[in-house]
Amino acid sequence: KNQVEQSPQSLIILEGKNCTLQCNYTVSPFSNLRWYKQDTGRGPVSLTIMTFSENTKSNGRYTATLDADTKQSSLHITASQLSDSASYICVVSDTGNQFYFGTGTSLTVIP
Amino acid sequence: DTGVSQDPRHKITKRGQNVTFRCDPISEHNRLYWYRQTLGQGPEFLTYFQNEAQLEKSRLLSDRFSAERPKGSFSTLEIQRTEQGDSAMYLCASSLTRQITDTQYFGPGTRLTVL
Repeated sequence: KNQVEQSPQSLIILEGKNCTLQCNYTVSPFSNLRWYKQDTGRGPVSLTIMTFSENTKSNGRYTATLDADTKQSSLHITASQLSDSASYICVVSDTGNQFYFGTGTSLTVIP
Repeated sequence: DTGVSQDPRHKITKRGQNVTFRCDPISEHNRLYWYRQTLGQGPEFLTYFQNEAQLEKSRLLSDRFSAERPKGSFSTLEIQRTEQGDSAMYLCASSLTRQITDTQYFGPGTRLTVL
């Protein structure tokens, strides 16, 4: 069964600190993996997209990594800001253009 | 502002009533997706269109749900005989499929509350 699991479910960190969010998947055949940021009450916004051949991709203070062999991805946030408080959703698509969403990690950055 | 708009942003209805939501994608995007999201969960895929053709429908999309994209531009999602379990955020996304990694741009969503 194609699944996407994220951990932790929620996370609270101090402003300025770094954090890493995890995504494990069983989707096959794999096409690509995306990380989205979703503010409360709003639609998700794309942060990164990675294909099978990409190991890492950065978008400002966000760096995503992908290990296609172990089917794991991580999203690292550097020097967190209050505005980083949101849900971060991992989405994996297969070669048939089916999208599988994780349940997200809720991040709260406190001053 | 991602460029995808949805209307209305909020809808409160009584059980048994019909509701219709509209999504206007980014103008040149050929793919349009509908998702449903309940509190604390990730979005669940409902259906998607490539131009005006509905290519995929999730088993979550019961007979009470119907979606259209008549001219390959805006899309509507109708729910007939709403039930309390239909209460959720309904998200629309669009993308331009030229490469394998087409980015989906999401709208702000329509929050449906069924009383």
